[in-house]
Parts: sequence; structure tokens; C-alpha cells
Amino acid sequence: NAGVTQTPKFQVLKTGQSMTLQCAQDMNHNSMYWYRQDPGMGLRLIYYSASEGTTDKGEVPNGYNVSRLNKREFSLRLESAAPSQTSVYFCASSEVADNSPLHFGNGTRLTVT
Amino acid sequence: QKEVEQDPGPLSVPEGAIVSLNCTYSNSAFQYFMWYRQYSRKGPELLMYTYSSGNKEDGRFTAQVDKSSKYISLFIRDSQPSDSATYLCAMSGGFTGRRALTFGSGTRLQVQP
Repeated sequence: NAGVTQTPKFQVLKTGQSMTLQCAQDMNHNSMYWYRQDPGMGLRLIYYSASEGTTDKGEVPNGYNVSRLNKREFSLRLESAAPSQTSVYFCASSEVADNSPLHFGNGTRLTVT
Repeated sequence: QKEVEQDPGPLSVPEGAIVSLNCTYSNSAFQYFMWYRQYSRKGPELLMYTYSSGNKEDGRFTAQVDKSSKYISLFIRDSQPSDSATYLCAMSGGFTGRRALTFGSGTRLQVQP
């Protein structure tokens, strides 16, 4: 009963390096999301995919790109990491995009030095 | 000003106490209200989901929504040390044009045995 699986769990990058965060869900959900969580800021939406084949910007999309690879998988890419991107990244999924509860993974803790 | 405001705490209570957690919001379009619980180093998990105004009860948890005051609450009865976590409110609405949840920054709760 995996739910939402994120890899890796931890990552340290140097400024300017790139990486891709992976996310997969096994609940046959249509919609998937990437949030970042910072102290005092709560969860902020980076990008989301309402359905397979679509992606949209959220509140803080700058410096990130996403790919909805198929219905199960939604990846987040940092092309040139910056210290301001040090955060905990959460992937989530829901049945549909509008007003449905989210199911979260356990996060990727990223440090950019 | 944030769209959803939540006291960060920490809130420390003795075991068995009644806990009240609250959020205020400014966007009158919000219609769906949720509470998530997040344990340390884990992803948020859905606790309560309510639509529009009113109360909803589930075991020791009661969610209240007062749309006229733009105020939502989560009550925990007979609190247990296992309730120690961060509690996040989240909301969404059909007319916001935003197809994802808006979160509060979370309240950290500690229940002392």
C-alpha cells in the first residue's frame, strides 16, 4: 500500500548543479502536485498537473520545471540549483484537481550549498 | 498579508486536555476546508474534510467552519501524546480560479504525558 513515493529522500547539491526529484503514485489519481515547505511559510505550490498531459504553474514556479511522464509519475527538475531552493519538497496526488483532498509523499529534503 | 493565517505555536498542553486549533482566511470564495496532521519528517495526512459552514465530528476530532467570520477550528478532545504533531489547515474554492489547496503555515502541538 505505497500511496505516493518520492525519491530521493535526501540530497545535497552545490550551487549550479541540476537534479530531478521523482514522484510516483499508485492510487490511479488524475492530479499531481509539487509543494515546497519552508519554516514559517507553510506549503507553497510550485507546479501541478490537473490531468495527464497538462501542467500549470503554482505560486512559486521560478527555477523549476516539471514533467508529467504518465498518469502515475510527475517529476520536478531544478536546472541550476540555488541556496534559496534549500527546502523540503513534497509531491501529492488527488482524484481530481478541484477541491479534492491531497495525498502526500514523505518528502525530499534538499540542501543547496 | 497571507491569505490563510495560522498561529505557529508551539502549543503545549497536558495529556487529556481539550485542544483548539484555529485558522483565519481572507478569501470569501473558499468553500472546502481541510485539516492535515504532519508528524516530524513525514508528509501531511488528511484528518478532516468539510464543505461550507458547520461542524463535523470524527472520533476525538471536531472541525468547525464559520464562513461569516472566515474562521475555522479543529478541536481535539482527550488529547494524547500521539497527537503531538504540526496541524495544517487548508482550503479551496470553486471561484478562486485556483485548482489546488491553499495552506496555512501550521501550528505545532505538543501533548505532555
